[in-house]
Amino acid sequence: QLQLQESGPGLVKPSETLSLTCTVSGGSLTSSNFFWGWIRQPPGKGLEWIGNIYYNGGTYYNPSLKSRVTISVDTSKNRFSLRLRSVTAADAAVYFCARQRWRPVTGTRGPFDYWGQGNLVTVSS
Amino acid sequence: SYVLTQPPSVSVAPGKTARITCGGNNIGSKSVHWYQQRPGQAPALLIYYDTDRPSGIPERISGSNYGNTATLTISRVEAGDEADYYCQVWDRSSDNQGVFGGGTKLTVL
Repeated sequence: QLQLQESGPGLVKPSETLSLTCTVSGGSLTSSNFFWGWIRQPPGKGLEWIGNIYYNGGTYYNPSLKSRVTISVDTSKNRFSLRLRSVTAADAAVYFCARQRWRPVTGTRGPFDYWGQGNLVTVSS
Repeated sequence: SYVLTQPPSVSVAPGKTARITCGGNNIGSKSVHWYQQRPGQAPALLIYYDTDRPSGIPERISGSNYGNTATLTISRVEAGDEADYYCQVWDRSSDNQGVFGGGTKLTVL
């Protein structure tokens, strides 16, 4: 059974960089049929897609966050990471990592079918 | 950027049918996925590619997508269906990005 687990600090100071890692177990990050993504949810609010990465390092980012976000992958450790720079109180949220299905032949992006449990990040000095 | 619009809340009596809509410009041309999120939990996939159900999802839960509206239908609603529901698409028309609707809180009366 595939499992995703987020890890990282629960508290980040304003203007600093938020760093989270998602470790994948029970499956390989290098499968050609999947992208790997980050989604966040501010307290009491809805879901916001942050970005996706493919095992070869190809990335897609939410335009509203693109200038501050970097997603990277480490296939040797079967994990991928999120860095969000210059955080403010608006970045406080539960951060989820998830697997997204992909149909390589058609290029169709599918659903996020497996999710981590989420990592709550608070922004405060 | 592409926008998905959901009603903030839907209320339904047990045993009745709940319909949660997801509006978007020509959404019928996109693949829509639906998620259920219970308090304190991660979202869980409910419907994918408009109408498909993952294993373990009962047949009383279904989806449709046509024109400018996608709909999640929950028949014979149970107390356990009370949760937040989100629609999601992938928008290839602009920056190739994921888009979620604002979410709908389903209340079972």
